[in-house]
Amino acid sequence: AQTVTQSQPEMSVQEAETVTLSCTYDTSENNYYLFWYKQPPSRQMILVIRQEAYKQQNATENRFSVNFQKAAKSFSLKISDSQLGDTAMYFCSLAQGGSEKLVFGKGTKLTVNP
Amino acid sequence: DVKVTQSSRYLVKRTGEKVFLECVQDMDHENMFWYRQDPGLGLRLIYFSYDVKMKEKGDIPEGYSVSREKKERFSLILESASTNQTSMYLCASSGSGRADYEQYFGPGTRLTVT
Repeated sequence: AQTVTQSQPEMSVQEAETVTLSCTYDTSENNYYLFWYKQPPSRQMILVIRQEAYKQQNATENRFSVNFQKAAKSFSLKISDSQLGDTAMYFCSLAQGGSEKLVFGKGTKLTVNP
Repeated sequence: DVKVTQSSRYLVKRTGEKVFLECVQDMDHENMFWYRQDPGLGLRLIYFSYDVKMKEKGDIPEGYSVSREKKERFSLILESASTNQTSMYLCASSGSGRADYEQYFGPGTRLTVT
């Protein structure tokens, strides 16, 4: 069975600083995708960044980047130059190749302080 | 842009009532999902549909049923609402055959059963 673990229920960071959210996962497959989703307060969940397991290069989207350690089954999200609008719940998730379903972690509530 | 809409943002129902939550997507996606989101538990899959009239149970289907008569619409039904079904319900959709399995989410329905 696939599992996704986020060990930090809550985190806070000062505006303009860098923060890293942790995620570990377990799967027996070689072909899979990893995602970070963001859910701002009272707003829709949106995709932040995705990583294909077969790609060694870490994905980057503007201020968001991941540290993908395949052997360690670790997939952390780094947010640089944190902004107030980054305040949200962040969910790490996993999709096995060939399955349309996502498995989600329990989420990390990130607060960016002014 | 993909748009996933849900019929209500907030809903209050009484114990024992039959409750319908509706979700509509406008991107001709084959796959649609219903999740339940509770604090500290993350997102849990209730049901998944991969085609019209086709469905698959998720991790917590007890007390719920679904209906998909048209490709764009996926309904979640609580046959007899109970207080332990008070929760946030999220609908999502994704396209089959995509290489990345990204899901697009609706704004959520916060259901309170009294």
